[in-house]
Amino acid sequence: QQQVKQSPQSLIVQKGGISIINCAYENTAFDYFPWYQQFPGKGPALLIAIRPDVSEKKEGRFTISFNKSAKQFSLHIMDSQPGDSATYFCAATAGRRALTFGSGTRLQVQP
Amino acid sequence: KAGVTQTPRYLIKTRGQQVTLSCSPISGHRSVSWYQQTPGQGLQFLFEYFSETQRNKGNFPGRFSGRQFSNSRSEMNVSTLELGDSALYLCASSSGQGPYEQFFGPGTRLTVL
Repeated sequence: QQQVKQSPQSLIVQKGGISIINCAYENTAFDYFPWYQQFPGKGPALLIAIRPDVSEKKEGRFTISFNKSAKQFSLHIMDSQPGDSATYFCAATAGRRALTFGSGTRLQVQP
Repeated sequence: KAGVTQTPRYLIKTRGQQVTLSCSPISGHRSVSWYQQTPGQGLQFLFEYFSETQRNKGNFPGRFSGRQFSNSRSEMNVSTLELGDSALYLCASSSGQGPYEQFFGPGTRLTVL
């Protein structure tokens, strides 16, 4: 019940396109859903996060869409750039407990 | 503000040895969490310390332990190293209260031979 399922495992997008990564969860106690970006040799960096009382949050080119009834949330990267090429992780937590991470999506943005 | 720092960045050990990793959180943050990252298992939670007390614990054997000091710096210890302990060990810093934003350090790459 603690699992967060992430898809796709890898994604290739053309420069300027939209990258979409999806996550699904089972634990209805989760109350905080962050997305992290990780470059090779670096630790994960917090990108954007959402709480279940809103359906969408946008920060620059990054948008989280949240569907509480379906227990799904997704990350949209608009106008994808080669510099966005990295591994993206969704995560979830309940009551400030440990983050449960998805398995990661390796995004490659082709110039 | 300076970010999360971890030392050392790289370590090579042999089976049976023990290792201690260090993490200095963002100034003012009182919570430090440790995660293990491997290609096969992904990112897995080890434990969290808040104000020198272990607040949460993941599903790892007792060979993995940690502590936190009064200045919020934290150490993680792994005893009797096994080949499967080879991983990137990440430390995450949080205020421990209010919005639960965790900020990660660059990690310590541990290789067990």
